[in-house]
Amino acid sequence: KQEVTQIPAALSVPEGENLVLNCSFTDSAIYNLQWFRQDPGKGLTSLLLIQSSQREQTSGRLNASLDKSSGRSTLYIAASQPGDSATYLCAVRSSNSNSGYALNFGKGTSLLVTP
Amino acid sequence: NAGVMQNPRHLVRRRGQEARLRCSPMKGHSHVYWYRQLPEEGLKFMVYLQKENIIDESGMPKERFSAEFPKEGPSILRIQQVVRGDSAAYFCASSPPGQGQNQPQHFGDGTRLSIL
Repeated sequence: KQEVTQIPAALSVPEGENLVLNCSFTDSAIYNLQWFRQDPGKGLTSLLLIQSSQREQTSGRLNASLDKSSGRSTLYIAASQPGDSATYLCAVRSSNSNSGYALNFGKGTSLLVTP
Repeated sequence: NAGVMQNPRHLVRRRGQEARLRCSPMKGHSHVYWYRQLPEEGLKFMVYLQKENIIDESGMPKERFSAEFPKEGPSILRIQQVVRGDSAAYFCASSPPGQGQNQPQHFGDGTRLSIL
């Protein structure tokens, strides 16, 4: 059974800092990994999708890497801003399961960027 | 708004009543997924549907829960005889047809279900 863990559970940084969020998963047989942002009381916004054959994806100030063999992904946020404050979720789509359709989520990292 | 639309945003039911949650996928999307987020827990997969077909319901409780995605109209997640433990946020996601496993899932804003 795929287990997804995110460290740290919470993070507070001053504005302008670069930061790294970590995600690990137990089964390396995956189709892809997706990073989301969730604002309080809101839905999920997809940030980046990395296919299993890819090593990284970039969008603006965000860069996500994937090391499938070691079961790790990182989300790098450059020059953080207060508007980046949210919960960041990592989700893995396993290929070694009855269904390759479900996303397996971590519990998230709650990020606070202070002015 | 071309995104995934869920309604209602908030739903309050008394124990024993029925709850119906609706989801309209993004335009052009034919795959729908339902997830549940319990307080202090991560999102858990419930069911995956295509038009008129349930493809995977491995995450759905065996009793009281059902889902459908008819040829016309939104997908419906139905919870019969609700109990306090059903209080959660229910999220719907959709993805386009073709190579489903490689496509990103796009989420709606969720329905917050509260059971009195």
